Amino acid sequence: DAEITQSPRHKITETGRQVTLACHQTWNHNNMFWYRQDLGHGLRLIHYSYGVHDTNKGEVSDGYSVSRSNTEDLPLTLESAASSQTSVYFCASSEEQSYNEQFFGPGTRLTVL
Amino acid sequence: AQKITQTQPGMFVQEKEAVTLDCTYDTSDPSYGLFWYKQPSSGEMIFLIYQGSYDQQNATEGRYSLNFQKARKSANLVISASQLGDSAMYFCAMREGSGGGADGLTFGKGTHLIIQP
Repeated sequence: DAEITQSPRHKITETGRQVTLACHQTWNHNNMFWYRQDLGHGLRLIHYSYGVHDTNKGEVSDGYSVSRSNTEDLPLTLESAASSQTSVYFCASSEEQSYNEQFFGPGTRLTVL
Repeated sequence: AQKITQTQPGMFVQEKEAVTLDCTYDTSDPSYGLFWYKQPSSGEMIFLIYQGSYDQQNATEGRYSLNFQKARKSANLVISASQLGDSAMYFCAMREGSGGGADGLTFGKGTHLIIQP
């Protein structure tokens, strides 16, 4: 069955370190998204991609970067982790049309000390 | 201004009763989509139902229906005959634009629904 996976599921890191969160989907979807979830804010869009070599900034993109070298993967990099980036991160993918649901990965809980 | 507003931070409902979760939205784009997701305590995001801005009829999926009132910019989720397993966080979300050029979802802050036996 097609799926979307994220790794690691839990990560603890220190302020200033570079961290990369992996997202892999086997749906063959062109659209991929990264969100963060914080108490009191719901989910907020970090970056998104409509296909290979395409990336776009979302609402809360500062301090994050993504790259898309193939259809299946959209890794999220925190260049220099900050305590404010402690959060749960969700990756999602969808087919191209706007009426299609986004399929979410299981999430990565990141703690920055 | 918030694009998605969920005014009920928490709700307690008796099992087997119907539940209405409120959602209002704000957009000037004539083409948009509205989604509801469920997040149980285990953390995964589960898609429930979708309503497009041009859809004439309210969306339904099993026990879930979406009460879409376009003029009021409201998209309330109705759960009929609630079950204990419905206890979860519920998020309303919107996608503006159409086709492959649409952006990601904008989410509300969620409603924590607790079903009591």
